[in-house]
Amino acid sequence: NAGVTQTPKFQVLKTGQSMTLQCAQDMNHNSMYWYRQDPGMGLRLIYYSASEGTTDKGEVPNGYNVSRLNKREFSLRLESAAPSQTSVYFCASTTRSSGELFFGEGSRLTVL
Amino acid sequence: AQSVSQHNHHVILSEAASLELGCNYSYGGTVNLFWYVQYPGQHLQLLLKYFSGDPLVKGIKGFEAEFIKSKFSFNLRKPSVQWSDTAEYFCAVKVASGGGADGLTFGKGTHLIIQP
Repeated sequence: NAGVTQTPKFQVLKTGQSMTLQCAQDMNHNSMYWYRQDPGMGLRLIYYSASEGTTDKGEVPNGYNVSRLNKREFSLRLESAAPSQTSVYFCASTTRSSGELFFGEGSRLTVL
Repeated sequence: AQSVSQHNHHVILSEAASLELGCNYSYGGTVNLFWYVQYPGQHLQLLLKYFSGDPLVKGIKGFEAEFIKSKFSFNLRKPSVQWSDTAEYFCAVKVASGGGADGLTFGKGTHLIIQP
């Protein structure tokens, strides 16, 4: 069982470059999420998608865009990367109204 | 909006010591509560969860947590820690009503180091 798969696992960008983080889940989950994790800040929600075809902003959406390509895939795009976006990004999914999340292994992004 | 507060950012214990990590949340209604663990270099894994019923819940690896509604708390405990418990621990909350899909609200985490 793959669960939630993220790519790439590591990426180094220069300021102003763009990139897309990919996320796919094979658990037939309806809802998908992108969080960023920073030291001392915990996890903060960037964007989420309650179901295929819908996306909503979370706590820290500025500088990011998302696409819910289909039920399985939810991508996060940085159009013009900034050093403040250096972080570890986690994708998660759930189909449970309880809120229990299943996480991917994370993508470590460094913006120089 | 709800918020989660974890009292200790860094905790250092010796093996076999007892552990209690504090977690308080700020929502007055019905909530679902979670503790996640993140071992070094790994993703977050569910340690235990509380939805309803017995306020003392048991999770994996000997961890347990007690929900005290009057104190808005959901503290994590383990009677005797091991070196392998070195990790970051996150408390998280979700408002139970409404079925909203806006994810969990996380605390800032507690970095636990167990010394051999």
